[in-house]
Amino acid sequence: AQSVTQLDSQVPVFEEAPVELRCNYSSSVSVYLFWYVQYPNQGLQLLLKYLSGSTLVKGINGFEAEFNKSQTSFHLRKPSVHISDTAEYFCAVIRQGAQKLVFGQGTRLTINP
Amino acid sequence: NAGVTQTPKFRVLKTGQSMTLLCAQDMNHEYMYWYRQDPGMGLRLIHYSVGEGTTAKGEVPDGYNVSRLKKQNFLLGLESAAPSQTSVYFCASSTLGSSYNEQFFGPGTRLTVL
Repeated sequence: AQSVTQLDSQVPVFEEAPVELRCNYSSSVSVYLFWYVQYPNQGLQLLLKYLSGSTLVKGINGFEAEFNKSQTSFHLRKPSVHISDTAEYFCAVIRQGAQKLVFGQGTRLTINP
Repeated sequence: NAGVTQTPKFRVLKTGQSMTLLCAQDMNHEYMYWYRQDPGMGLRLIHYSVGEGTTAKGEVPDGYNVSRLKKQNFLLGLESAAPSQTSVYFCASSTLGSSYNEQFFGPGTRLTVL
C-alpha cells in the first residue's frame, strides 16, 4: 500500500521569503504524485502533478515541485511567497492503474507580513 | 458549469439522527468519491463509485452508506450519527481513463454531531 508523510504540520514564513513544503512517500510500485491546495473554507484544487518525464514540475501560482525517486520525495517550493498563498497544502499519491488517491496529513502555510 | 456542488454546507445533528449529504457534478464524470477531512489526518476516502449503480468501500467506510442512482449524483448517508463522525466532508469527481485524471472537489459540508 502507498503512504504519504508531510514532514511539517505548520510552516510560518514572511512575505516574499522562499518556502519549501516537504513530502515523502512510500510505495513498492510506480506512482503518480500530486500537490493540492485548500484555501480557507474551500475545497481542494490541483496545484501540480508529476506523471513522468522531467523531475521538475511547474504548477499554478509560481509553485514547483521536484520528484526524487531515490529519496522518495516530492517537495513543493516557491521562491517568493505572497499573503494570498496562505492555505493548507496536501501531497497525494496514486498507484499507477488505481482509482484511489492517498493523501498526506497536510501542511498549513502561514504568511506573515 | 457549476462543477461539483454539495448540499448542505453546514449541519448539526444529535447522536442517533440520520441524514443524507448530496453531491452533484455537471461534468459528466464517471468516478465520484466521498472523503472526510479531520485535523492532522488529511483526507480519508469513505466510499467511491466508478459508474452509475456501482459503489465501493474506501479507507473508512464504517457508519456510512452511499448510492449512485444517477451518474451526476452521489449520496452519502449516515444512518445513526455518532460524535466521531463530526468532520468536514468533501465530494470529488474525475473522468474515466488513466489513473492520473484530476479529481475536482466540491466546497465541503461541515457536520457536527452532538
